[in-house]
Amino acid sequence: ETGVTQTPRHLVMGMTNKKSLKCEQHLGHNAMYWYKQSAKKPLELMFVYSLEERVENNSVPSRFSPECPNSSHLFLHLHTLQPEDSALYLCASSQAGADEQYFGPGTRLTVT
Amino acid sequence: GESVGLHLPTLSVQEGDNSIINCAYSNSASDYFIWYKQESGKGPQFIIDIRSNMDKRQGQRVTVLLNKTVKHLSLQIAATQPGDSAVYFCAESMDTGRRALTFGSGTRLQVQP
Repeated sequence: ETGVTQTPRHLVMGMTNKKSLKCEQHLGHNAMYWYKQSAKKPLELMFVYSLEERVENNSVPSRFSPECPNSSHLFLHLHTLQPEDSALYLCASSQAGADEQYFGPGTRLTVT
Repeated sequence: GESVGLHLPTLSVQEGDNSIINCAYSNSASDYFIWYKQESGKGPQFIIDIRSNMDKRQGQRVTVLLNKTVKHLSLQIAATQPGDSAVYFCAESMDTGRRALTFGSGTRLQVQP
């Protein structure tokens, strides 16, 4: 596999479920990002991990919990989500401090 | 991956024509700018970038122009092809010790055969 991969590609979950989104990068990068792309807003940065340390959390509700066990993997743990959380969740990676970010294909999340 | 529901400006061009997509950015301190292309069902794909010490940069069939005076960025696509149909996003960032991209809302490019 090359680039940035995300699984699952599609996820439907109820408001009481717990699920996790997974991202893996094969580019040798050391910074990873979660973005939310919803129908009514531009791409919104959620979390940034640099050298496996969370360096940014853009006022994201606690029902979203990121985890970065190593520089190649990033998770987004989801629990008690709301219907308005339905969106495309995109993962990206870069070299720490570098500008260019490479995106995965996204996970299309629907909360029912 | 399309921003369905957003009232995206749409540019419709004929195949073979040149396309110009514009973007106004907000932060005069931004020193890095990047264009992404997002096709339906896919994540954003890097097209071209430019730093604030330049006003023009060319890639393969694409050119980015930066006008810092009016905080305007444009993407020019030469000889537009049906495969260029997508949503195009500009993003800006500034050096605060770490980099974070701020994205615009995007422009939908439709190429008519």
